[in-house]
Amino acid sequence: EPEVTQTPSHQVTQMGQEVILRCVPISNHLYFYWYRQILGQKVEFLVSFYNNEISEKSEIFDDQFSVERPDGSNFTLKIRSTKLEDSAMYFCASSEELGLYNEQFFGPGTRLTVL
Amino acid sequence: GESVGLHLPTLSVQEGDNSIINCAYSNSASDYFIWYKQESGKGPQFIIDIRSNMDKRQGQRVTVLLNKTVKHLSLQIAATQPGDSAVYFCAENPYGNKLVFGAGTILRVKS
Repeated sequence: EPEVTQTPSHQVTQMGQEVILRCVPISNHLYFYWYRQILGQKVEFLVSFYNNEISEKSEIFDDQFSVERPDGSNFTLKIRSTKLEDSAMYFCASSEELGLYNEQFFGPGTRLTVL
Repeated sequence: GESVGLHLPTLSVQEGDNSIINCAYSNSASDYFIWYKQESGKGPQFIIDIRSNMDKRQGQRVTVLLNKTVKHLSLQIAATQPGDSAVYFCAENPYGNKLVFGAGTILRVKS
């Protein structure tokens, strides 16, 4: 069964450093998402992406964040200068279509620890 | 039910019993609702969904009930098994792009 994959599974970085989290969405999916989950809290939407453009972003997704689809398979989330409060699980998701009633498939997540 | 901050509500059930997990959603305009299961160290996994024009939908061992009057969603798991132990999140999709997740409920199944 096709699945979303993410690398690395755990990333440790120093405050102020740049990190890039990588995702490979399901191959025939066209819509991509990033969510984050701070330990013990709910999953929060960050950004959605389609046709090489951001479709929507939350207030969390400030100028420190960017997303890119550098090639036909990868989808990345970059945090330019990490802060302690960026420590969280970051989940990538993809869906075949946009709009209601379209299931978003989630990857296993990358645990980001900012020291 | 709902929770605030870091303390998720926990439901403990005996193996073989039925489980009912509740969720209050926030947006009366939401048209689509999903239940996700999250096991430790993994991403959310789709369980079952329901559209706002329905009030009940059944899957394999799971049933979702929707009460739009009071903005309430519930997930019923029949004959709960140890493998059902996880955190369960409801999510609403008020419009195309994003999912809005609830706070989550921990389900513990005792053997």
